[in-house]
Amino acid sequence: EAQVTQNPRYLITVTGKKLTVTCSQNMNHEYMSWYRQDPGLGLRQIYYSMNVEVTDKGDVPEGYKVSRKEKRNFPLILESPSPNQTSLYFCASSFRGGSNQPQHFGDGTRLSIL
Amino acid sequence: GNSVTQMEGPVTLSEEAFLTINCTYTATGYPSLFWYVQYPGEGLQLLLKATKADDKGSNKGFEATYRKETTSFHLEKGSVQVSDSAVYFCALSEASGTYKYIFGTGTRLKVLA
Repeated sequence: EAQVTQNPRYLITVTGKKLTVTCSQNMNHEYMSWYRQDPGLGLRQIYYSMNVEVTDKGDVPEGYKVSRKEKRNFPLILESPSPNQTSLYFCASSFRGGSNQPQHFGDGTRLSIL
Repeated sequence: GNSVTQMEGPVTLSEEAFLTINCTYTATGYPSLFWYVQYPGEGLQLLLKATKADDKGSNKGFEATYRKETTSFHLEKGSVQVSDSAVYFCALSEASGTYKYIFGTGTRLKVLA
């Protein structure tokens, strides 16, 4: 089954404790992206990747890191999480970057930073 | 910069009512436009898309037409069902250069039996 898989689905942690949210897709997609969803703000793009070893900032990249060492994986790293990063996070992928490509989304990761 | 503006929700309708959710955008060039739907506890799913002016996207009884002259992409459905209750997001994909995606704030739809 074609899917985007995120782990964990839920995480409660404390300020400053490094964490990684994994994202994997099995569709051989070139483009992958991370979003955060907050009430009243919709989805905002954090980082995206056009292909292996190619990443770029979205609209809200501060406090986050990503890497794209393999085509299928695109982990999101919070080196020193803070409470304002408490949010619902989505990973997405598409066949390639470009204006007519719809995205496939994972089921989300709810992060709470205390 | 580019942006997407959606009507505020929530929208509450009775079953079989007509639905319109407004979406307008600001963008340079010719972006593609999308509607995504999010059911409770799930990720977003593509509902429909349009890639050029005057294109009409349609799926599951929903329709939206890419209107460049009014920079709009309003979502419509002639007769909603309880199962259509969800959050709907309008989005655009930039036409060139950065390949960013920009989403609206979402509109919650609740359909009552």
